Parts: sequence; structure tokens; C-alpha cells
Amino acid sequence: AQSVTQLGSHVSVSEGALVLLRCNYSSSVPPYLFWYVQYPNQGLQLLLKYTTGATLVKGINGFEAEFKKSETSFHLTKPSAHMSDAAEYFCAVTLQSPGGETSGSRLTFGEGTQLTVNP
Amino acid sequence: DAGVIQSPRHEVTEMGQEVTLRCKPISGHDYLFWYRQTMMRGLELLIYFNNNVPIDDSGMPEDRFSAKMPNASFSTLKIQPSEPRDSAVYFCASSPDRGLGNTEAFFGQGTRLTVV
Repeated sequence: AQSVTQLGSHVSVSEGALVLLRCNYSSSVPPYLFWYVQYPNQGLQLLLKYTTGATLVKGINGFEAEFKKSETSFHLTKPSAHMSDAAEYFCAVTLQSPGGETSGSRLTFGEGTQLTVNP
Repeated sequence: DAGVIQSPRHEVTEMGQEVTLRCKPISGHDYLFWYRQTMMRGLELLIYFNNNVPIDDSGMPEDRFSAKMPNASFSTLKIQPSEPRDSAVYFCASSPDRGLGNTEAFFGQGTRLTVV
């Protein structure tokens, strides 16, 4: 079964500083990887996803993530934090079926990382 | 597209009462998911449907919980009887079937349930 681990339940950065949110996954087959963001009192919104192809994925709001198979990681970064980036971020994984058949979108989420941006 | 619509946004009920949460998925999406979010457990998948058929309900915590999807545009999650430990935010999400699991889920804004 797949699993996701997010290192650090709380991350605090200064405005303008680099944002790095860590995500490691466990999967016996090639995964599809996602980052979602949740603003207060809102549902989850997709930031970016990796399926196949280029391992560096760019998303909305200046975020990007790199899939590193050797490290089983999918860390989320943003060069310069903005106050509006303060939110909770979730890494998620779903599996590609070995036979390529439809497997649906059964996401497994990490525990979440609360990002605080200080002025 | 209005997105995934959940109602009510907030629900406060007394212990022992029946609670029904509602969800309208995005038109054309074949998958519908119910998640529960709490501080202790994070996001938990309760149940999901494919083409209105329940596929995996292993996340439903107890027999007090039940979910239905009578048609492609409507689903309910019912708790009867409700208990204080059911207090949480319940999210509905839907997803198109593009094959190979290569899809993203679109979330509603959630229903914040408080059982007193």
C-alpha cells in the first residue's frame, strides 16, 4: 500500500524567503504525486501534480516540485514566500495500476504542513 | 462550472440526532469521494463511488455512517445517531475518469459538523 510522509507539521518562513515543504512517499509501483493547498475555512485546491514525463513540475502561485525517484521524494518549493501563501499544504499520492487499467483517483494524503509567513 | 457544492456549510446538532450531509459533484465526473478532516487524524477517506456505485467503504468508521449516491449529481453522507466524536469537517470531492488514475480531485468547501 502507498503512504505519504510530510516532514514538519509546521513551517515558518519570512516574507521573501525560500519555501521548502518536504514530502516522501512509499509505493511499490510508479506513483502519481500531488500537492494541494487549503486556505482557512476552504476546501483543498490543487497546486501541482506529477504523472509522467518531466520530473520538475510547475504549479500555480509560483510553486514547483521535483519528483526524485531515487529519494522517493516530492518536495514543494517556492523561491520567495508571500504573505498570501500562508495555508496548510498536503502532499498526496495515487497509484498507477501495473496493467495500466483505470484505477480511479483514490488519493492518500499526508498529514499536512501548516505554513506561516512572517512579515 | 460551479465546482463541487456541499450543504450545509455548518451544522450543529445534539448527540443522538441524525445528520445528513449533501454533495453535488461536478457534472461529468465519474468519481465521488467523502473525506473527513480532524486535527487528530488529518484527512481520512471514508468512502468513494464510481458511476454511482460504492467502490470502497472501508474508511467508514462505524455502522452509524452511511453514504448513498442515487444519481450522478447527488450524494449524501448520513450519521445516525451522531456522537460528539463525529465533530469534524467533512469534504466531498469529485474527479473525472481519465484512466490510469491520472486524475486530480476537486474539493467542495466542506461541511463543519459540531455534535454537542
